[in-house]
Amino acid sequence: DAGITQSPRHKVTETGTPVTLRCHQTENHRYMYWYRQDPGHGLRLIHYSYGVKDTDKGEVSDGYSVSRSKTEDFLLTLESATSSQTSVYFCAISEWLLAGEISYEQYFGPGTRLTVT
Amino acid sequence: GIQVEQSPPDLILQEGANSTLRCNFSDSVNNLQWFHQNPWGQLINLFYIPSGTKQNGRLSATTVATERYSLLYISSSQTTDSGVYFCAVENMDSNYQLIWGAGTKLIIKP
Repeated sequence: DAGITQSPRHKVTETGTPVTLRCHQTENHRYMYWYRQDPGHGLRLIHYSYGVKDTDKGEVSDGYSVSRSKTEDFLLTLESATSSQTSVYFCAISEWLLAGEISYEQYFGPGTRLTVT
Repeated sequence: GIQVEQSPPDLILQEGANSTLRCNFSDSVNNLQWFHQNPWGQLINLFYIPSGTKQNGRLSATTVATERYSLLYISSSQTTDSGVYFCAVENMDSNYQLIWGAGTKLIIKP
């Protein structure tokens, strides 16, 4: 258990409203990621963070922003939600100390199902 | 960018059967991981295997980095093995970003 929680787990919102999703981890991992998953697709990276206040864009970052003001929390914001952002959002963490070596396996939170009507 | 292809896209087997899932990638990688997404949507890390062979119970994986492919073996399948299996790779200069294949959907019938 990598100690990752996501909130909310489910959300329905209207087009044009702002939405913030939260990812929380308890084990001090340096890297955190936000992905979206749509039917018939693998995961696509939205944004990632490699430390407090250090973030970068992924493959599908348009319409999303992120913030990481402390190690344990990584927030994903949809400034003005659109129907195309209806998806399941996963948070992941990586960078582990495993048997004395650093490992970059990614572990995932339970996901947030977002519906934009 | 790097391409990741998984085959077959779908696989239906009877309980007890063995299966082999394949992942091909188009460039050198630092990292390759196999994941299982169960029918409830949870993503579970199976193997971190940039090269070589690993085994965990009925599952094993082999990555031949020089030939740019990885195989996931499932022996004596159980209905709980059903779900989607994803391969994801990290390119050499990608700052630990994973590029994902489209997955293999596995259905195990009782």
